[in-house]
Amino acid sequence: KQEVTQIPAALSVPEGENLVLNCSFTDSAIYNLQWFRQDPGKGLTSLLLIQSSQREQTSGRLNASLDKSSGRSTLYIAASQPGDSATYLCAVLMDSSYKLIFGSGTRLLVRP
Amino acid sequence: DTAVSQTPKYLVTQMGNDKSIKCEQNLGHDTMYWYKQDSKKFLKIMFSYNNKELIINETVPNRFSPKSPDKAHLNLHINSLELGDSAVYFCASSPTLTSYGYTFGSGTRLTVV
Repeated sequence: KQEVTQIPAALSVPEGENLVLNCSFTDSAIYNLQWFRQDPGKGLTSLLLIQSSQREQTSGRLNASLDKSSGRSTLYIAASQPGDSATYLCAVLMDSSYKLIFGSGTRLLVRP
Repeated sequence: DTAVSQTPKYLVTQMGNDKSIKCEQNLGHDTMYWYKQDSKKFLKIMFSYNNKELIINETVPNRFSPKSPDKAHLNLHINSLELGDSAVYFCASSPTLTSYGYTFGSGTRLTVV
């Protein structure tokens, strides 16, 4: 059974800092891994998707990496801004069942 | 022009009642989903429909019954509501089962009293 864990559960940083969010998964039979952002009271916004054959994806100040063999992914946020404050969710799409399994999220606060 | 819209946004109801949540997407996607987010913020898949066909049916009480009248709609009907059903329910869609581009609705906060 796939388990997705995100560390830390919460993070508070001053504006301008670079930061790393971690995601680990127990079953490497994944189709892809996705990072989402959730704002309070809102739905999820897709940030980055990494196919199982890829090592990383970049979008603006965001960079996500994937090490499928070790079951790890990181989301790197450069030069953080208060507008980055949200909960960041990692999810893996399972190869066989096509179920998207979510981690519990990292709640990020960027202080001005 | 909302891509995935759910109604209602908030739903407060008494135990034992039957209620429905509606979801519509105007993206032309083939696949639609229902997710439940509990009080600890864990998002778990409940159902997935691909071209109106049920693909994923997680271990969900049979009081929950999804219905997809067409590709653009996936409704969730819940019978005999229980306190433990209180959660935020999210509808989502994607072009296909495996493609990039999940779009989530803004959620329906269900409170059972």
